[in-house]
Amino acid sequence: QQQVKQSPQSLIVQKGGISIINCAYENTAFDYFPWYQQFPGKGPALLIAIRPDVSEKKEGRFTISFNKSAKQFSLHIMDSQPGDSATYFCADALNAGGTSYGKLTFGQGTILTVHP
Amino acid sequence: GAVVSQHPSWVICKSGTSVKIECRSLDFQATTMFWYRQFPKQSLMLMATSNEGSKATYEQGVEKDKFLINHASLTLSTLTVTSAHPEDSSFYICSAGGLPLRVGQYFGPGTRLTVT
Repeated sequence: QQQVKQSPQSLIVQKGGISIINCAYENTAFDYFPWYQQFPGKGPALLIAIRPDVSEKKEGRFTISFNKSAKQFSLHIMDSQPGDSATYFCADALNAGGTSYGKLTFGQGTILTVHP
Repeated sequence: GAVVSQHPSWVICKSGTSVKIECRSLDFQATTMFWYRQFPKQSLMLMATSNEGSKATYEQGVEKDKFLINHASLTLSTLTVTSAHPEDSSFYICSAGGLPLRVGQYFGPGTRLTVT
């Protein structure tokens, strides 16, 4: 099964700092790369997503950087806040056509703690 | 915005019994539903993909006779864990998919299953 490798496993950041989480994918056919935020006991919530035809996408304090040649993408959380403390997952999917439409493969997750 | 609900939010059952989990799309039609399982402090693993009116497609290693999935309508999919055992205790999460939804856009809040 194709994997998405995520790092680090855990991350501690001071309030106001930048949180950076990295992911590496294997299958170059995948064309959709979302990031999710999950609080304990809740389902994941889509934060931001990118397609490989752009190198960066920004929504508020969240930015995805995408490096197609290295098959890597990362999530940057600017001005990190204690409320951002959660588990973050990257994922990839084959979005267009095929029998796996919409099927997501998740990374291992990163537990982010933002200290006040 | 669109909402995916799950019922129950948590359930405790005795070993050997069966339990049904419902996943509903509340204000939109979902041609596809995905069922995930998440063990504590681990990532989400796709169990199966169900399309309305047809048989579910199970991921490798998932017992189709144990995890029965029914997707009888465009707004309801059910997962029945048959003859549950303690090792089936997990967090089960559904996700709605299919055009015109964005991939992985809507996840349910999850159902915590504890088998005693």
